Amino acid sequence: NAGVTQTPKFQVLKTGQSMTLQCAQDMNHEYMSWYRQDPGMGLRLIHYSVGAGITDQGEVPNGYNVSRSTTEDFPLRLLSAAPSQTSVYFCASSSNRGLGDTQYFGPGTRLTVL
Amino acid sequence: GENVEQHPSTLSVQEGDSAVIKCTYSDSASNYFPWYKQELGKRPQLIIDIRSNVGEKKDQRIAVTLNKTAKHFSLHITETQPEDSAVYFCAASSRGTSYDKVIFGPGTSLSVIP
Repeated sequence: NAGVTQTPKFQVLKTGQSMTLQCAQDMNHEYMSWYRQDPGMGLRLIHYSVGAGITDQGEVPNGYNVSRSTTEDFPLRLLSAAPSQTSVYFCASSSNRGLGDTQYFGPGTRLTVL
Repeated sequence: GENVEQHPSTLSVQEGDSAVIKCTYSDSASNYFPWYKQELGKRPQLIIDIRSNVGEKKDQRIAVTLNKTAKHFSLHITETQPEDSAVYFCAASSRGTSYDKVIFGPGTSLSVIP
C-alpha cells in the first residue's frame, strides 16, 4: 500500500491564482481531512470528510473548497490564492469517522503564495 | 468554539530525564485524545492515544494520563533519548456541525540533550 499520497510536494503561486492540492489514499478509509501547519500554530483543520459525498468545515475553512466524489480522493481547492495561505498542507485519513482511530498523514505540500 | 491548548511550547531536557507535556481542551464532549510526534521535515505520526473511559495508558517509555473533570491530559516520556527530540502534538476529538473532528494543539518542541 502507498498509504496517503499528496501532490505536488512544492508549489509556488502568485496572488489570485487558483490551484488544487491532490490527496489520495489506498486504505479504503472513510475519514479524510486537510490540515495546514504554520510555525507556532500547530495543525489547523481546514475541511474534513466522513465519506464520499460528505464534507464539513474545520477551524479555518475560508478560502478553501473540498469535495469527495470517491472514497480514495479528497482534493483541496484554493480559489484565489493569498499570501496568508502560504503554509505546509497535510492530508490525513483514518478508517473510523475520526473517533478513536489513527490518522495517517501524507508527506505534505509546501505552498508559497507570492 | 473548540480549543486545545498545549504547554510548554518548548522543552529541553537532559538525556535520561523525564519530559512532561500538558494539554487542556474546551469541548466537554471530547472522548478521544491522541498524541502525535513530528520529526523535522517529516509527517506527524501517532505515538499513543487514550479514550475517555480510561484514566491512564502506558506504552514502554511513554504514558498518557487523562482527567476528564478538569479537561486536561498529559504526555509523559521517561528515560528520554536523543531520538525523542521532535515536535509533539496533542489532539482531542470535537463535535463538528454534523460529525466529529480532531483538533490539534499548537505543539511542543522537545530537545533531548545528550
